[in-house]
Amino acid sequence: QVQLKESGPGLVQPSQTLSLTCTVSGFSLTSYNVHWVRQPPGKGLEWMGRMRYNGDTSYNSALKSRLSISRDTSKNQVFLKMNSLQTDDTGTYYCTRDVAIFNYGPDYWGQGVMVTVSS
Amino acid sequence: DIQMTQSPSFLSASVGDRVTINCKASQNINKYLNWYQQKLGEAPKRLIYNTNNLQTGIPSRFSGSGSGTDYTLTISSLQPEDFATYFCLQHNSFPNTFGAGTKLELK
Repeated sequence: QVQLKESGPGLVQPSQTLSLTCTVSGFSLTSYNVHWVRQPPGKGLEWMGRMRYNGDTSYNSALKSRLSISRDTSKNQVFLKMNSLQTDDTGTYYCTRDVAIFNYGPDYWGQGVMVTVSS
Repeated sequence: DIQMTQSPSFLSASVGDRVTINCKASQNINKYLNWYQQKLGEAPKRLIYNTNNLQTGIPSRFSGSGSGTDYTLTISSLQPEDFATYFCLQHNSFPNTFGAGTKLELK
């Protein structure tokens, strides 16, 4: 059974670093890409970046200077770190996957984790 | 970045109605367009991938069409469980970009 589950702190102070974990099951990180997507309250979805099946990463240019995505395949986890958080980084953060060898786009998503940036 | 314009933002309909939701891309996305359903507190669920391919397990009342810059999701006969938010995603190029969503409400 395919599952993705995001975890991390619900509250982060402005200027601090956000650290999130996506723990996956039912598939291999070496066969699927994992993406991070976020949604501010009442606004649309924004693609943040991805960890490719081979360990390469790509980032949204709007976030690239603040964002880092890494993984631990032995723990089936993908990590997001974003620094210099501001209030407009508040929102729900999702991880999602897509199969590496076909361009079908993301299929399974996690339920998301709500992050509030506030002092 | 490719802009995705989704319409309508809100849609009020009744059980049994046929509804359509549209996404227009700012440039050709070569049919790399997916549709998702999202209910409050739940993970988004993929309905359609690459314009017109029905995700396994999704009822056949959902269908997709389109090409170039214009894409449509059709629900042929609304069921009570279909009242939710729907959004499109283009994965032709990075950054992937999303439509703003359509909230489908019971009339």
